Amino acid sequence: SQQGEEDPQALSIQEGENATMNCSYKTSINNLQWYRQNSGRGLVHLILIRSNEREKHSGRLRVTLDTSKKSSSLLITASRAADTASYFCATDAYQAGTALIFGKGTTLSVSS
Amino acid sequence: DTEVTQTPKHLVMGMTNKKSLKCEQHMGHRAMYWYKQKAKKPPELMFVYSYEKLSINESVPSRFSPECPNSSLLNLHLHALQPEDSALYLCASSQASGQGAVFGSGTQLSVL
Repeated sequence: SQQGEEDPQALSIQEGENATMNCSYKTSINNLQWYRQNSGRGLVHLILIRSNEREKHSGRLRVTLDTSKKSSSLLITASRAADTASYFCATDAYQAGTALIFGKGTTLSVSS
Repeated sequence: DTEVTQTPKHLVMGMTNKKSLKCEQHMGHRAMYWYKQKAKKPPELMFVYSYEKLSINESVPSRFSPECPNSSLLNLHLHALQPEDSALYLCASSQASGQGAVFGSGTQLSVL
């Protein structure tokens, strides 16, 4: 079962630029999370934002959540080549029982 | 210890073989997950264990059989797989279902 849709599917930028990815979801949630995956291996948890929060920061990451629109965005500022990866949003799929359901992902390519 | 350890990292098996994937965590997490991921696709939820009990089975074929012997271990028993089951199998754990998860690096499975 798929919960989220990321937009864009692919994003190519230069080092130093900002990257913005969007995620939309369908059902009520308790929280929304963003993960990064390098080279098809394990995912790394980046940030969690709760349904009663609107914005959260962690280092170069800024996440927003709009529960009325069922959407979230992830902003990576001053991107680096090492940020090249796939980024997924995940929701806790409240109505389906509590589990992490992932969106389709955005592939980010940062060139130097 | 803040890791999820998966073994083996790679597995090649025939359609008549029986094999098991293993996952271990020592973070005291009470939720553990199995995901299947095809290339360039998001992780798909297979099973969720919460407090060592199976809480979610996402209509996975019976040739995949999960087992949670204790709070630190999660196994996925494989039998009579099909070539289309070839994928990256990811294990994850979290404090509770739906919270930020720690992922293992996965087992790359090829079914011949």
